[in-house]
Amino acid sequence: DTGVSQDPRHKITKRGQNVTFRCDPISEHNRLYWYRQTLGQGPEFLTYFQNEAQLEKSRLLSDRFSAERPKGSFSTLEIQRTEQGDSAMYLCASSGGDGYTFGSGTRLTVV
Amino acid sequence: QKEVEQDPGPLSVPEGAIVSLNCTYSNSAFQYFMWYRQYSRKGPELLMYTYSSGNKEDGRFTAQVDKSSKYISLFIRDSQPSDSATYLCAMGDTGRRALTFGSGTRLQVQP
Repeated sequence: DTGVSQDPRHKITKRGQNVTFRCDPISEHNRLYWYRQTLGQGPEFLTYFQNEAQLEKSRLLSDRFSAERPKGSFSTLEIQRTEQGDSAMYLCASSGGDGYTFGSGTRLTVV
Repeated sequence: QKEVEQDPGPLSVPEGAIVSLNCTYSNSAFQYFMWYRQYSRKGPELLMYTYSSGNKEDGRFTAQVDKSSKYISLFIRDSQPSDSATYLCAMGDTGRRALTFGSGTRLQVQP
């Protein structure tokens, strides 16, 4: 098992465009999380899945954000009509018990 | 006021020094506590997980939790240049899966 995999590693997009990120968790982990991290700050919680069910969403997850985890395997995070304020590192993590394993993140730059 | 406060540093120490990293928190519902290490352009890596007040040791690392004071610490003994990274504290309560992170302390260990 190679850990949590995120794709792409970097994404540069123009303001107003839609972007989608993918996360492949550790295969035996049933919990999956998305966090956002800006420079000099700790990660901020966005949303959480247990298997395919999205059980918790942060107020940070505006209507422009949507996340899915079909069949309880990989997950996607889509941001519609991107804004400059969306520029951040988007981190995915998975868990099967205590603690999380994070991926290396997708760095989004909105220009 | 943030729920979790962490001094951003940077903290610069000579190789071999004992490092003390700290976080304070205001939410008495927090029941479990973690320390993560994050290298530049990487995702956070779990170092320590504790569920109760007291000390937990793992190699050169010791995590300390004082719930009565709402204060947690991470001690690193015999610090190495490879320990140079940002250290993030994180905590959660049993009612939610989301973690609340501190903003991170940047540590530099000078050879």
